[in-house]
Amino acid sequence: EVQLLESGGGLVQPGGSLRLSCAASGFTFSSYAMSWVRQAPGKGLEWVSSISGRGGSTYDADSVKGRFTMSRDNSKNTLYLQMNSLRAEDTAVYFCAKGGPWVESDYWGQGTLVTVSS
Amino acid sequence: DIQMTQSPSSLPASVGDRVTITCRASQGISNYLAWYQQKPGKVPKLLIYAASNLQSGVPSRFSGSGSGTDFTLTISSLQPEDVATYYCQKYNSAPLTFGGGTKVEIK
Repeated sequence: EVQLLESGGGLVQPGGSLRLSCAASGFTFSSYAMSWVRQAPGKGLEWVSSISGRGGSTYDADSVKGRFTMSRDNSKNTLYLQMNSLRAEDTAVYFCAKGGPWVESDYWGQGTLVTVSS
Repeated sequence: DIQMTQSPSSLPASVGDRVTITCRASQGISNYLAWYQQKPGKVPKLLIYAASNLQSGVPSRFSGSGSGTDFTLTISSLQPEDVATYYCQKYNSAPLTFGGGTKVEIK
């Protein structure tokens, strides 16, 4: 059974940093691209970042480019999202999803809430 | 970047109605189009991939069609448990843009 479990969310001040993690199990992690998708309170889904299976290629939304960095540790079956220079508009539930460019996102984690506020 | 436009944004319908949601890409995306269902407070669930392929376990009343720039999601007979917001997403290349969502509710 595929499982994705996000962690690392919380309250952070504007300008601060946070690192999200997503622990994966139930599939050959290194064979699949992975993505982060966020959803601000009461809003729609917004794609944030994707990474190739081996981690050699990353893709970022313009809204987070230069501030967020996605990475993965295939030895630990874990995905990361390093978020720097956080803004109020980054407040959202962040989901990790199995899938990325050219591959549909067929499994999603439960999400972790990031709140950026002073 | 390719924009994804969904319509309508809100869709009140009666139980048993045939419901159609449209998603339009600003440029061709072949068939790299997925549809997701998100119930209130829940995680998005994949319904359709590659524009017309039904994800395993999804009821057959859901179907997808289209290619290139114009896509549709159809619910052949709306059920109470189908109340949700539906999103399309292009995934041919980054950015993997979502449509704005269609909220389906029972009249």
